[in-house]
Amino acid sequence: GEDVEQSLFLSVREGDSSVINCTYTDSSSTYLYWYKQEPGAGLQLLTYIFSNMDMKQDQRLTVLLNKKDKHLSLRIADTQTGDSAIYFCAENDYKLSFGAGTTVTVRA
Amino acid sequence: EAGVAQSPRYKIIEKRQSVAFWCNPISGHATLYWYQQILGQGPKLLIQFQNNGVVDDSQLPKDRFSAERLKGVDSTLKIQPAKLEDSAVYLCASSLHRDTHHEQYFGPGTRLTVT
Repeated sequence: GEDVEQSLFLSVREGDSSVINCTYTDSSSTYLYWYKQEPGAGLQLLTYIFSNMDMKQDQRLTVLLNKKDKHLSLRIADTQTGDSAIYFCAENDYKLSFGAGTTVTVRA
Repeated sequence: EAGVAQSPRYKIIEKRQSVAFWCNPISGHATLYWYQQILGQGPKLLIQFQNNGVVDDSQLPKDRFSAERLKGVDSTLKIQPAKLEDSAVYLCASSLHRDTHHEQYFGPGTRLTVT
C-alpha cells in the first residue's frame, strides 16, 4: 500500500457529488482500479481504467486519470446513503497494490 | 453464479496456536489469491496460485504461513504458530486466469483475532 496513497476520510451530504483522490507511483501500471468495501464484506470492483485513457464514465461513476501527475480520481454523482463504504484505489505492476482506503460517510 | 466462499467468517485464537482458513473460488477460475488486510490498511497479497502451482509467494511469511491448492480448486491458508500481529482479515479472491487479474472477485473474508 505504500506506493498508492489516498486521503483517509470523506464526508459528503446525500445528493452531492463525492470526489475521492489517489496518487500512485508505478508509471508502468496498465490498469488502475477502484474497489468498494462495505462493512463485513469483501472488495467489490467498481470500475477500472486503462492507462492510455484520460476518463471513463459508468453511470454515476466518473474516473479521471492524469498520467503525468500519477493522479487518479473517482467521482460519484448524486451520492446516496448506500455509497457509504471504504473505497480503495489500486494499481497493477505485476500484482495489485492497494491504497489504505478512503472511508466515505454520507450524511442526510 | 456462486461467489467466492470462505470459512470460517470469524476466528479467535491465542498466540502460538494454529489456525487454518478455507477458500472455494468461483467455478472455473484458474487463479486464486490470498490477501491479508490489517485494520486501516488495504489488502496485501500473500500468495497467488495458477491452478495448483504457486505464481507468487514473495510476501508470504514462510516461517509461519503456508498455503496449498492441491487439486487446483479449493485452497487452505495456515498459520502456525500465530502471533499478535497476524490479527487481520484474510481475503480470498479468484479470477479466470492470470491475464484477467483485473477481474478479481473477492470473498467476504475471515476475520482473525489473535489474543
